[in-house]
Amino acid sequence: AQSVTQPDIHITVSEGASLELRCNYSYGATPYLFWYVQSPGQGLQLLLKYFSGDTLVQGIKGFEAEFKRSQSSFNLRKPSVHWSDAAEYFCAVGVGQAGTALIFGKGTTLSVSS
Amino acid sequence: AAGVIQSPRHLIKEKRETATLKCYPIPRHDTVYWYQQGPGQDPQFLISFYEKMQSDKGSIPDRFSAQQFSDYHSELNMSSLELGDSALYFCASRLAGHTGELFFGEGSRLTVL
Repeated sequence: AQSVTQPDIHITVSEGASLELRCNYSYGATPYLFWYVQSPGQGLQLLLKYFSGDTLVQGIKGFEAEFKRSQSSFNLRKPSVHWSDAAEYFCAVGVGQAGTALIFGKGTTLSVSS
Repeated sequence: AAGVIQSPRHLIKEKRETATLKCYPIPRHDTVYWYQQGPGQDPQFLISFYEKMQSDKGSIPDRFSAQQFSDYHSELNMSSLELGDSALYFCASRLAGHTGELFFGEGSRLTVL
């Protein structure tokens, strides 16, 4: 069965420091992979997505993610975190028609300290 | 730019009552998705529609039903509400053939007392 694992429930990073959020997936075929961000009480905003091609994808707000098939991973990175990046981050794998019925991980809460 | 509109934003119901949530997709988007996010949980896919037909089905309870209308808006009907139905319900839309980004609404928060 398809699944997404985000091993870190909560991460605290100092402002200006680098960030890496981990994501591992289980899916039989070539996956559609996504990272979404959710601020408290808000909807989900897409940061970036991977379908095929270049395994390093760039997203909005300075985020990037690297797809590693051998490790079944799709980790999210940012070189320098800003206080406004504090939010909940969800990794998702797309299944179903056009890979858009999303299966989400449990999420990682990012706190940014000054 | 127009976004996905959900109504109502907040809804309070008693157990065993019914509730209806509405979703208005982005103009020209013809595919709609419903997700349920319980407190502190990840969003769970419930159901999706394309051109008024159900396209995918997830973990939607039998007490719930949904449909998409000719103007592409969708309604999620929930009956015999239970305390565990309290959650944030998201609707998302996309334009068929455009693999990729789902555009999410801000959600409808249902509280069952």
